Amino acid sequence: DGGITQSPKYLFRKEGQNVTLSCEQNLNHDAMYWYRQDPGQGLRLIYYSQIVNDFQKGDIAEGYSVSREKKESFPLTVTSAQKNPTAFYLCASRPSQGTQETQYFGPGTRLLVL
Amino acid sequence: QQQVKQSPQSLIVQKGGISIINCAYENTAFDYFPWYQQFPGKGPALLIAIRPDVSEKKEGRFTISFNKSAKQFSLHIMDSQPGDSATYFCAASSRYGGSQGNLIFGKGTKLSVKP
Repeated sequence: DGGITQSPKYLFRKEGQNVTLSCEQNLNHDAMYWYRQDPGQGLRLIYYSQIVNDFQKGDIAEGYSVSREKKESFPLTVTSAQKNPTAFYLCASRPSQGTQETQYFGPGTRLLVL
Repeated sequence: QQQVKQSPQSLIVQKGGISIINCAYENTAFDYFPWYQQFPGKGPALLIAIRPDVSEKKEGRFTISFNKSAKQFSLHIMDSQPGDSATYFCAASSRYGGSQGNLIFGKGTKLSVKP
C-alpha cells in the first residue's frame, strides 16, 4: 500500500520546546517537500530536498530544520526560534528531479502550542 | 513574478450549477499547471493538470481552460455537487531554474455547494 505517511496527526508544543514531525514515503520518490498551511494563506514552502543528503530552504525556513538521511524519510523539526508555530504542516513528494510529475501530499500534522 | 493569484477567495454555488475558479501568473517560464482539491483536515489531492501546449483539458465534470497569451487558467466544475465542497488550489511550476519542479500555489478558493 504505497503512499505518504505523516505522524503524529496532532502535536502539542510547549514554550521553548523543539518538536519533530515525521514524514515517510514508500513511493520511491526522489524529491520531498514541507509546507506550512495557515487559513487564507495557501501553502508556503518551508524546505525541500531533491536528493538524499541535500536540502534547500524554501520561502519560510526560519525557525525550522530538516534532514534527509534516507530517501524515504524527511523529518521536520520546529525549533523554539519559530515564534508562531501553530499551523497545519504538509509533507509532499515527487517522483524525480527535473520531471514535470506532480507532488503527492501526506495527510498532514496539526501543530498546536500549549 | 513568482506569484500565482487566485480568485475568488470563496464561492457559493447551488447544486447543479457551474463553479468557476480563476488563476493568473506572471512568470512565462511556468509550464505545468495543476489543480488540487483539499477537504478539511486532509492533505491536498491532485484533481487535474494541464501543460501550455493545449488550451483545454477535461476529466469528467472538471475542466481546465488555459489562455497562454493572457497568462490565465481556470477550473470549471460542471453540475456541482455538495460533495465538491472543498478548498481548491491552483499551482504552477517550471522545468527550468534552480527550483525546477517546485510548485507555486495560489491562496485557495473555498467552495460551498448548496443542496
